[in-house]
Amino acid sequence: GENVEQHPSTLSVQEGDSAVIKCTYSDSASNYFPWYKQELGKGPQLIIDIRSNVGEKKDQRIAVTLNKTAKHFSLHITETQPEDSAVYFCAASASWGKLQFGAGTQVVVTP
Amino acid sequence: NAGVTQTPKFRILKIGQSMTLQCTQDMNHNYMYWYRQDPGMGLKLIYYSVGAGITDKGEVPNGYNVSRSTTEDFPLRLELAAPSQTSVYFCASSYSTRETQYFGPGTRLLVL
Repeated sequence: GENVEQHPSTLSVQEGDSAVIKCTYSDSASNYFPWYKQELGKGPQLIIDIRSNVGEKKDQRIAVTLNKTAKHFSLHITETQPEDSAVYFCAASASWGKLQFGAGTQVVVTP
Repeated sequence: NAGVTQTPKFRILKIGQSMTLQCTQDMNHNYMYWYRQDPGMGLKLIYYSVGAGITDKGEVPNGYNVSRSTTEDFPLRLELAAPSQTSVYFCASSYSTRETQYFGPGTRLLVL
């Protein structure tokens, strides 16, 4: 089955700097790659997703890139703000909708 | 819309007890899912459903059961609770495959 690895497990950045989280997947049939943000005590919430027919997608300060050849995808957050502090999960799906999640990255933005 | 709601928020169980975690969605989604989240381990799929009357096992189904009698509800049953089932449980729903999964706020379960 699909295996998703996520790095780093924790990431501390200064406010205004950029943050990058990387994920790799194992199943070459995967074609849907969402990113979820989880704030303390809440359920995960989708922040951006990308499908395999696209190499990059951007939404304001958030961007995701996908390299299908290398089987990796990344989340980029620019101009980080304190409210970006949360746990971020990548996921990959090869079949009808059974997402395989990475282990998560704790992002801490310090003023 | 309330989205996905879960009850209870928190529960302590003794070993061997049973309980049902409730999940309801009001978005008329066909697809519903149950995940467990252990510290530092991401989310693991327990069971999922593609519509009323249809359920299937996910990655970690042992010790759990589900039913789906209506589009809105997808309860998760724990029989003979064990300490290994201490976790945070999330229910989610989606309109279709390859679409956003909407998560509930979670149920924190402690088995002692």
